[in-house]
Amino acid sequence: SSELTQDPAVSVALGQTVRITCQGVSLRTYYANWYQQRPGLAPLLVIFAKDNRPSGIPDRFSGSSSGSTASLTITGAQAEDEADYYCSSRDSSGNQWVFGGGTKLTVL
Amino acid sequence: EVHLVESGGGLVQPGGSLKLSCAASGFAFSGSTMHWVRQASGNGLEWVGRMRSKANAYATAYAASVKGRFTISRDDSKNTAYLQMNSLKTEDTAVYYCTPLGYSYEKWGQGTLVTVSS
Repeated sequence: SSELTQDPAVSVALGQTVRITCQGVSLRTYYANWYQQRPGLAPLLVIFAKDNRPSGIPDRFSGSSSGSTASLTITGAQAEDEADYYCSSRDSSGNQWVFGGGTKLTVL
Repeated sequence: EVHLVESGGGLVQPGGSLKLSCAASGFAFSGSTMHWVRQASGNGLEWVGRMRSKANAYATAYAASVKGRFTISRDDSKNTAYLQMNSLKTEDTAVYYCTPLGYSYEKWGQGTLVTVSS
């Protein structure tokens, strides 16, 4: 079982805002990273170290954290944002990494 | 530009061995911790293990599911990471990725498919 918990599925209307959450005890100590994975493709880093966007990632993607919950927010969701989203972080020991179970985002 | 190419996957019988390679370019490979992550078909991402840099004594860590069976190594002169997989089980069937997890320049290759079946 994953030490990071995500809702299995979330939906959002085109152009609206959606928040995807990730819960885990280790998030009180370590930052979360967020990944987008479209079908048949490798994961793509969209947020690292809680709230930083890599070069080339649209600014509609943002990250935040409070207590044991990290969040990925997409402001003005686009059709191409429909994908699986995963969070990752170190585990409670700090020596290993873990991934959340993933959230399937549907853009309506 | 960061580029990662995994290779060495294939079909292997249960109990067999396989060695994967990961050729990296476009970033400071020798100073980066390199991770292996796998994904079984239709499933989520699973962290396999990591090897730190020479400055951190090439320290390794592994997921409980592979500890004692898998070994990560690296050749900084070739900018290449390796994953030696022994005593393979059917549940090890997955696409295997290598990546400098957690860095701002993190990228993923297309992965290499390992199928463990008789």
